Amino acid sequence: AQSVSQHNHHVILSEAASLELGCNYSYGGTVNLFWYVQYPGQHLQLLLKYFSGDPLVKGIKGFEAEFIKSKFSFNLRKPSVQWSDTAEYFCAVSLYNTDKLIFGTGTRLQVFP
Amino acid sequence: NAGVTQTPKFQVLKTGQSMTLQCAQDMNHNSMYWYRQDPGMGLRLIYYSASEGTTDKGEVPNGYNVSRLNKREFSLRLESAAPSQTSVYFCASIPETSGTYEQYFGPGTRLTVT
Repeated sequence: AQSVSQHNHHVILSEAASLELGCNYSYGGTVNLFWYVQYPGQHLQLLLKYFSGDPLVKGIKGFEAEFIKSKFSFNLRKPSVQWSDTAEYFCAVSLYNTDKLIFGTGTRLQVFP
Repeated sequence: NAGVTQTPKFQVLKTGQSMTLQCAQDMNHNSMYWYRQDPGMGLRLIYYSASEGTTDKGEVPNGYNVSRLNKREFSLRLESAAPSQTSVYFCASIPETSGTYEQYFGPGTRLTVT
């Protein structure tokens, strides 16, 4: 069965530190890739998505992610985090031409001033 | 344009009680989804509806039923609640099942079963 792995369960950073959250998936075919963010007490919001084209995608709030097909990875990055980035981050995958999402277990990010 | 709305926001049930979680979207989306979110497990798909009049099981359907009442509304019913169903439930919708859209999520319903 297809699965999505997020190996960082809890990340603690100081403001201005750089961030990279890992996401790997297990599926050999074409996929669509997503990062969602859930701020405390709120619903999930889309950060960025990859369907095709340039494997480096830019999202909202200065986030970006790189799709590396050979590594089955879609890591999320931000050069300098802010306290307001404190949230839970979910990687998700849908198989090509479907829209049932398979979510990773999430990474809780805490940013301290 | 409210997006995806869910009621109630919070609910406490006793084991064996039943209840229905309501979800509505005003974006004229065709497909709707119900997920549950549990600590350390991410979101798992319970049921989905690709279009009005159709529903299908997701990853964890046991103990739940759904109704796609019309294009706007997709309800989730717990017939006999169990403590294992304590979770946060999210509804989501998407314009159509083309694989090219992101899902839009509601604010969630936090359910506790004692």
